[in-house]
Amino acid sequence: KQEVTQIPAALSVPEGENLVLNCSFTDSAIYNLQWFRQDPGKGLTSLLLIQSSQREQTSGRLNASLDKSSGRSTLYIAASQPGDSATYLCAVGLSNDMRFGAGTRLTVKP
Amino acid sequence: SQTIHQWPATLVQPVGSPLSLECTVEGTSNPNLYWYRQAAGRGLQLLFYSVGIGQISSEVPQNLSASRPQDRQFILSSKKLLLSDSGFYLCAWSATGGTDTQYFGPGTRLTVL
Repeated sequence: KQEVTQIPAALSVPEGENLVLNCSFTDSAIYNLQWFRQDPGKGLTSLLLIQSSQREQTSGRLNASLDKSSGRSTLYIAASQPGDSATYLCAVGLSNDMRFGAGTRLTVKP
Repeated sequence: SQTIHQWPATLVQPVGSPLSLECTVEGTSNPNLYWYRQAAGRGLQLLFYSVGIGQISSEVPQNLSASRPQDRQFILSSKKLLLSDSGFYLCAWSATGGTDTQYFGPGTRLTVL
């Protein structure tokens, strides 16, 4: 059974720092891996989608990498801002659904 | 453009009462539809998914049921709510299965007292 783990569970950094969020999964037979952002009490917003054949995706200050063989993905956030404060969830795509990690709650302090 | 709606946004219900949460998608046809539950401090748990009208797959045994009476409508129901049904319920759609991104609705906060 596919299990997705995110470390750390919570992270607090000062504004301007570069940071890395980690995601690991137990079964490498995935279609893709996706990173989402969730603000308190809100739905999820897709940030980056990496197909299983890809190694990374970039959008603005965000860069996500995928190492399928080792079951790992990282989300790199450059020059963090207070507006980046949210919970970040990773999810692996299976044949008909996705499996989510519990998320990393990020706080960026001004 | 596609949009996804959920209602109500919040709901407080007594134990033993029925439940009906609705999700609708606009701007696309024959989407895959999903119901998730998110408990406090935990990841999303897939409850149901549907690849077409009347086609429902359940991921976990539970007190809930789902129906898809129309192509872009997905309903989550219960005949008698339990305390453990409390949580944040999210509906999502995708164009295909696992190869495509999922787009999420704003969610419904359900509190069972």
